[in-house]
Amino acid sequence: DQQVKQNSPSLSVQEGRISILNCDYTNSMFDYFLWYKKYPAEGPTFLISISSIKDKNEDGRFTVFLNKSAKHLSLHIVPSQPGDSAVYFCAASVANFGNEKLTFGTGTRLTIIP
Amino acid sequence: GAVVSQHPSRVICKSGTSVKIECRSLDFQATTMFWYRQFPKKSLMLMATSNEGSKATYEQGVEKDKFLINHASLTLSTLTVTSAHPEDSSFYICSAQQGAEGYGYTFGSGTRLTVV
Repeated sequence: DQQVKQNSPSLSVQEGRISILNCDYTNSMFDYFLWYKKYPAEGPTFLISISSIKDKNEDGRFTVFLNKSAKHLSLHIVPSQPGDSAVYFCAASVANFGNEKLTFGTGTRLTIIP
Repeated sequence: GAVVSQHPSRVICKSGTSVKIECRSLDFQATTMFWYRQFPKKSLMLMATSNEGSKATYEQGVEKDKFLINHASLTLSTLTVTSAHPEDSSFYICSAQQGAEGYGYTFGSGTRLTVV
């Protein structure tokens, strides 16, 4: 059973426009959510996170929105840049006290068109 | 959807012993499997990439004699931590790739290894 779902395997966005990546989860025990970015032949790198006590977290061009009632989160990138082309994973964990297990989605490949 | 089964989910072993972690793709053939180590603060380190029937490609700084990876079939990859030490205690996560680079990654549920 896929507890974290990214239903769009790929997304293409024009440079300068907004990229919106979506993620849904089913486990109501999740209360900490993360986004990772992965370039080819590299491991995923942490991008941004959000705790369930918030509904928005912003870091530069990246903003993550959390809708707990819908069990949905999204990552907004604005403006999109060519270097943002990568695979993006959302992940979730129960609590954030240390090294809790992460449950990952299957990823969305974002392509930024110059 | 695609499922990757990782086993065991947690294991405690004595220092100096070896531990094997299995990663199976249940309903698809995984041409490539990846092994990661999860560090505190949610960082993931890619340890190695394994392709079925060939030797794994290890990332710089990862000891291949200590972390033995075998990808004997299109549905199974194993990671053996040999002569485990307390500093090897961590989460180990596998993921399987179904097709071309960038598509169809599925992560296993992770293994928490504690070496005492």
